[in-house]
Amino acid sequence: RKEVEQDPGPFNVPEGATVAFNCTYSNSASQSFFWYRQDCRKEPKLLMSVYSSGNEDGRFTAQLNRASQYISLLIRDSKLSDSATYLCVVNMMEYGNKLVFGAGTILRVKS
Amino acid sequence: ETGVTQSPTHLIKTRGQQVTLRCSSQSGHNTVSWYQQALGQGPQFIFQYYREEENGRGNFPPRFSGLQFPNYSSELNVNALELDDSALYLCASSPRTGGEEQYFGPGTRLTVT
Repeated sequence: RKEVEQDPGPFNVPEGATVAFNCTYSNSASQSFFWYRQDCRKEPKLLMSVYSSGNEDGRFTAQLNRASQYISLLIRDSKLSDSATYLCVVNMMEYGNKLVFGAGTILRVKS
Repeated sequence: ETGVTQSPTHLIKTRGQQVTLRCSSQSGHNTVSWYQQALGQGPQFIFQYYREEENGRGNFPPRFSGLQFPNYSSELNVNALELDDSALYLCASSPRTGGEEQYFGPGTRLTVT
């Protein structure tokens, strides 16, 4: 079983749509959680950290369920510029500061 | 931009050769991690350096080795290159090893022929 698993994608949505990505992780000792965004042939960039109470940053909302080992990202009012690969990331503290990435979900927003 | 820089941007090597990739961390960051990203996959953790010492290693063979210097810059060395080593190599820095988010450089794209 992979340490971090994401929806396979790709997600093709029209502008203005709401889209949700899901992610599960296998190691219950994981302590930090993130969503990164990666544009084609570029480096991953931090989109947002994910906190147990849930957190929002503009059109983006992240949720964490530690009991189910489940992380989600909701994007409202999708823009063309949101088209990218979204990577679910878990910090495995028992290995120092190792980030474990999911394979990513491709989002394509179309006009 | 993150302030993390990597060199070179692109590199083409032949199977069996050796390669050295370089990374300068963001100012104030003393921890550097290296990742390998194959096409269509998420980045895979290679190892991490904290204050010039290795601080964790992923499932990569010993021919992948690294260094961190007193100014916290870092090198990744790969010996006896194989075709499967072709990938984007990413360096990420963070202020310490406590689980904070990491900031990535633009990467070095290595092609092994």
